Amino acid sequence: GALVYQYPRRTICKSGTSMRMECQAVGFQATSVAWYRQSPQKTFELIALSTVNSAIKYEQNFTQEKFPISHPNLSFSSMTVLNAYLEDRGLYLCGVRTGGNTEVFFGKGTRLTVV
Amino acid sequence: GQGVEQPAKLMSVEGTFARVNCTYSTSGFNGLSWYQQREGQAPVFLSYVVLDGLKDSGHFSTFLSRSNGYSYLLLTELQIKDSASYLCAVRVRTGGYKVVFGSGTRLLVSP
Repeated sequence: GALVYQYPRRTICKSGTSMRMECQAVGFQATSVAWYRQSPQKTFELIALSTVNSAIKYEQNFTQEKFPISHPNLSFSSMTVLNAYLEDRGLYLCGVRTGGNTEVFFGKGTRLTVV
Repeated sequence: GQGVEQPAKLMSVEGTFARVNCTYSTSGFNGLSWYQQREGQAPVFLSYVVLDGLKDSGHFSTFLSRSNGYSYLLLTELQIKDSASYLCAVRVRTGGYKVVFGSGTRLLVSP
Protein backbone atom coordinates (compact mmCIF):
# COMPACT_ATOMS: atom_id res chain seq x y z
CA GLY A 1 0.00 0.00 0.00
CA ALA A 2 0.89 3.64 -0.23
CA LEU A 3 2.81 4.94 2.77
CA VAL A 4 4.12 8.40 3.48
CA TYR A 5 6.65 8.93 6.23
CA GLN A 6 7.48 12.27 7.72
CA TYR A 7 10.48 13.02 9.87
CA PRO A 8 10.81 14.25 12.54
CA ARG A 9 7.41 13.71 14.15
CA ARG A 10 7.98 16.49 16.63
CA THR A 11 10.51 19.24 16.95
CA ILE A 12 11.10 22.23 19.15
CA CYS A 13 13.19 25.13 17.96
CA LYS A 14 14.13 28.47 19.37
CA SER A 15 12.58 31.56 17.91
CA GLY A 16 14.63 32.81 14.99
CA THR A 17 16.24 29.47 14.21
CA SER A 18 15.44 27.09 11.37
CA MET A 19 14.41 23.49 11.06
CA ARG A 20 14.15 21.01 8.23
CA MET A 21 11.50 18.35 7.79
CA GLU A 22 11.38 15.44 5.40
CA CYS A 23 8.73 13.49 3.53
CA GLN A 24 9.31 10.05 2.07
CA ALA A 25 6.88 8.11 -0.12
CA VAL A 26 7.22 4.35 0.16
CA GLY A 27 5.74 1.88 -2.30
CA PHE A 28 4.83 4.38 -4.97
CA GLN A 29 6.23 7.27 -6.93
CA ALA A 30 4.90 10.68 -6.08
CA THR A 31 4.06 12.87 -9.03
CA SER A 32 3.13 15.74 -6.76
CA VAL A 33 3.90 16.65 -3.19
CA ALA A 34 1.97 19.31 -1.32
CA TRP A 35 3.04 20.77 2.00
CA TYR A 36 0.30 21.91 4.35
CA ARG A 37 0.28 23.56 7.74
CA GLN A 38 -2.43 22.85 10.25
CA SER A 39 -2.31 25.57 12.86
CA PRO A 40 -3.19 25.24 16.55
CA GLN A 41 -6.52 26.79 15.59
CA LYS A 42 -6.90 23.90 13.11
CA THR A 43 -6.66 26.12 10.03
CA PHE A 44 -5.49 23.95 7.15
CA GLU A 45 -3.26 25.96 4.82
CA LEU A 46 -1.62 24.88 1.60
CA ILE A 47 1.97 26.12 1.64
CA ALA A 48 3.22 24.94 -1.72
CA LEU A 49 2.73 22.32 -4.38
CA SER A 50 5.64 20.56 -6.01
CA THR A 51 4.93 18.67 -9.23
CA VAL A 52 7.46 16.64 -11.16
CA ASN A 53 8.88 18.55 -14.09
CA SER A 54 7.28 21.80 -12.94
CA ALA A 55 8.39 24.66 -10.76
CA ILE A 56 7.30 24.61 -7.13
CA LYS A 57 4.23 26.84 -6.68
CA TYR A 58 3.83 28.69 -3.43
CA GLU A 59 0.48 29.90 -2.13
CA GLN A 60 -0.20 33.44 -1.10
CA ASN A 61 1.42 34.28 2.25
CA PHE A 62 4.10 31.62 1.77
CA THR A 63 7.41 32.19 0.01
CA GLN A 64 10.38 30.18 -1.11
CA GLU A 65 12.57 32.48 0.96
CA LYS A 66 10.78 31.39 4.12
CA PHE A 67 9.87 27.78 3.23
CA PRO A 68 12.43 26.45 0.74
CA ILE A 69 11.41 23.06 -0.63
CA SER A 70 13.48 20.39 -2.31
CA HIS A 71 11.87 17.64 -4.40
CA PRO A 72 14.89 15.87 -5.90
CA ASN A 73 13.14 12.65 -6.93
CA LEU A 74 9.75 10.99 -7.12
CA SER A 75 9.78 9.65 -3.58
CA PHE A 76 11.35 12.35 -1.44
CA SER A 77 10.71 15.96 -0.52
CA SER A 78 12.02 18.22 2.19
CA MET A 79 10.98 21.61 3.45
CA THR A 80 12.80 23.99 5.74
CA VAL A 81 11.16 26.58 7.96
CA LEU A 82 13.64 29.42 8.06
CA ASN A 83 13.76 31.91 10.90
CA ALA A 84 10.85 30.31 12.73
CA TYR A 85 8.60 32.38 14.96
CA LEU A 86 5.53 31.69 17.05
CA GLU A 87 3.16 32.07 14.11
CA ASP A 88 4.95 29.18 12.40
CA ARG A 89 3.80 26.72 15.04
CA GLY A 90 1.63 23.87 13.90
CA LEU A 91 1.46 20.47 12.30
CA TYR A 92 3.18 20.35 8.92
CA LEU A 93 1.66 17.70 6.70
CA CYS A 94 3.04 16.29 3.51
CA GLY A 95 0.37 15.18 1.05
CA VAL A 96 1.40 13.01 -1.87
CA ARG A 97 -0.43 12.09 -5.07
CA THR A 98 0.56 9.67 -7.76
CA GLY A 99 -0.36 9.90 -11.42
CA GLY A 100 -3.86 11.20 -12.04
CA ASN A 101 -5.26 9.82 -8.79
CA THR A 102 -7.48 12.09 -6.79
CA GLU A 103 -6.63 10.65 -3.39
CA VAL A 104 -3.96 12.40 -1.36
CA PHE A 105 -1.87 10.22 0.92
CA PHE A 106 -0.67 11.98 4.02
CA GLY A 107 2.17 11.45 6.38
CA LYS A 108 1.53 11.82 10.10
CA GLY A 109 3.08 15.24 10.06
CA THR A 110 5.86 17.11 11.77
CA ARG A 111 4.69 19.09 14.77
CA LEU A 112 6.69 22.27 15.16
CA THR A 113 6.85 24.08 18.46
CA VAL A 114 8.65 27.41 18.63
CA VAL A 115 9.88 28.66 21.97
CA GLY B 1 -9.26 33.31 -4.17
CA GLN B 2 -9.87 29.72 -3.27
CA GLY B 3 -12.07 29.27 -0.21
CA VAL B 4 -13.41 26.14 1.47
CA GLU B 5 -15.63 26.64 4.49
CA GLN B 6 -16.89 24.20 7.11
CA PRO B 7 -18.54 24.59 10.50
CA ALA B 8 -16.03 24.09 13.27
CA LYS B 9 -18.05 21.69 15.41
CA LEU B 10 -20.95 19.28 15.17
CA MET B 11 -22.53 17.12 17.83
CA SER B 12 -24.73 14.10 17.40
CA VAL B 13 -25.92 10.98 19.22
CA GLU B 14 -24.88 7.37 18.79
CA GLY B 15 -27.21 5.46 16.49
CA THR B 16 -28.44 8.57 14.69
CA PHE B 17 -26.87 10.47 11.82
CA ALA B 18 -24.69 13.51 11.24
CA ARG B 19 -24.37 15.77 8.21
CA VAL B 20 -21.14 17.68 7.76
CA ASN B 21 -21.54 20.65 5.44
CA CYS B 22 -18.97 22.21 3.16
CA THR B 23 -19.22 25.26 0.92
CA TYR B 24 -16.55 26.29 -1.50
CA SER B 25 -15.69 29.12 -3.79
CA THR B 26 -13.01 28.13 -6.26
CA SER B 27 -12.10 28.49 -9.87
CA GLY B 28 -11.13 25.45 -11.89
CA PHE B 29 -13.20 23.05 -9.75
CA ASN B 30 -12.21 19.47 -10.47
CA GLY B 31 -13.80 17.42 -7.71
CA LEU B 32 -14.27 17.35 -3.96
CA SER B 33 -12.95 14.88 -1.41
CA TRP B 34 -13.70 14.13 2.20
CA TYR B 35 -11.10 13.04 4.71
CA GLN B 36 -11.30 11.85 8.30
CA GLN B 37 -8.64 13.01 10.74
CA ARG B 38 -8.24 11.75 14.25
CA GLU B 39 -6.32 13.73 16.83
CA GLY B 40 -2.62 13.58 16.16
CA GLN B 41 -3.09 11.47 13.04
CA ALA B 42 -2.85 12.03 9.31
CA PRO B 43 -6.04 12.72 7.34
CA VAL B 44 -7.46 9.56 5.78
CA PHE B 45 -9.31 9.60 2.47
CA LEU B 46 -13.03 8.73 2.59
CA SER B 47 -14.67 9.75 -0.66
CA TYR B 48 -14.31 11.71 -3.89
CA VAL B 49 -17.15 13.24 -5.91
CA VAL B 50 -17.07 15.25 -9.10
CA LEU B 51 -20.64 14.89 -10.39
CA ASP B 52 -23.77 16.37 -8.87
CA GLY B 53 -25.94 14.19 -6.71
CA LEU B 54 -25.66 11.73 -3.87
CA LYS B 55 -22.99 9.04 -3.76
CA ASP B 56 -23.81 6.29 -1.31
CA SER B 57 -20.82 4.45 0.16
CA GLY B 58 -22.59 2.66 2.99
CA HIS B 59 -21.67 4.22 6.32
CA PHE B 60 -20.63 7.39 4.49
CA SER B 61 -22.56 9.17 1.75
CA THR B 62 -21.56 12.33 -0.02
CA PHE B 63 -23.60 14.90 -1.87
CA LEU B 64 -22.42 17.53 -4.33
CA SER B 65 -24.07 20.53 -5.94
CA ARG B 66 -21.57 22.25 -8.20
CA SER B 67 -23.91 25.11 -9.10
CA ASN B 68 -24.26 25.96 -5.40
CA GLY B 69 -20.67 25.26 -4.43
CA TYR B 70 -21.95 22.89 -1.74
CA SER B 71 -21.26 19.40 -0.51
CA TYR B 72 -22.07 17.37 2.54
CA LEU B 73 -20.80 14.18 4.12
CA LEU B 74 -23.55 12.11 5.70
CA LEU B 75 -22.69 9.56 8.37
CA THR B 76 -25.48 7.16 9.33
CA GLU B 77 -25.84 4.77 12.26
CA LEU B 78 -23.28 6.75 14.16
CA GLN B 79 -20.86 5.06 16.50
CA ILE B 80 -18.78 6.63 19.21
CA LYS B 81 -15.68 5.88 17.16
CA ASP B 82 -16.96 8.18 14.39
CA SER B 83 -15.93 11.07 16.62
CA ALA B 84 -13.19 12.79 14.63
CA SER B 85 -12.57 15.77 12.42
CA TYR B 86 -13.90 15.63 8.89
CA LEU B 87 -12.10 17.64 6.25
CA CYS B 88 -13.54 18.83 2.98
CA ALA B 89 -10.99 19.24 0.20
CA VAL B 90 -11.52 20.76 -3.22
CA ARG B 91 -9.38 19.76 -6.16
CA VAL B 92 -8.56 22.69 -8.36
CA ARG B 93 -7.13 22.68 -11.84
CA THR B 94 -4.35 25.25 -12.07
CA GLY B 95 -2.19 24.10 -14.92
CA GLY B 96 -1.63 21.03 -12.83
CA TYR B 97 -3.87 20.20 -9.87
CA LYS B 98 -3.84 21.31 -6.28
CA VAL B 99 -6.03 20.36 -3.35
CA VAL B 100 -7.36 23.04 -1.02
CA PHE B 101 -8.67 21.95 2.37
CA GLY B 102 -11.25 23.40 4.67
CA SER B 103 -10.34 23.67 8.34
CA GLY B 104 -12.42 20.66 9.22
CA THR B 105 -15.51 19.93 11.28
CA ARG B 106 -14.98 18.26 14.61
CA LEU B 107 -17.76 15.71 15.12
CA LEU B 108 -18.51 14.54 18.61
CA VAL B 109 -20.76 11.50 18.95
CA SER B 110 -22.23 11.05 22.40
CA PRO B 111 -23.86 7.92 23.89
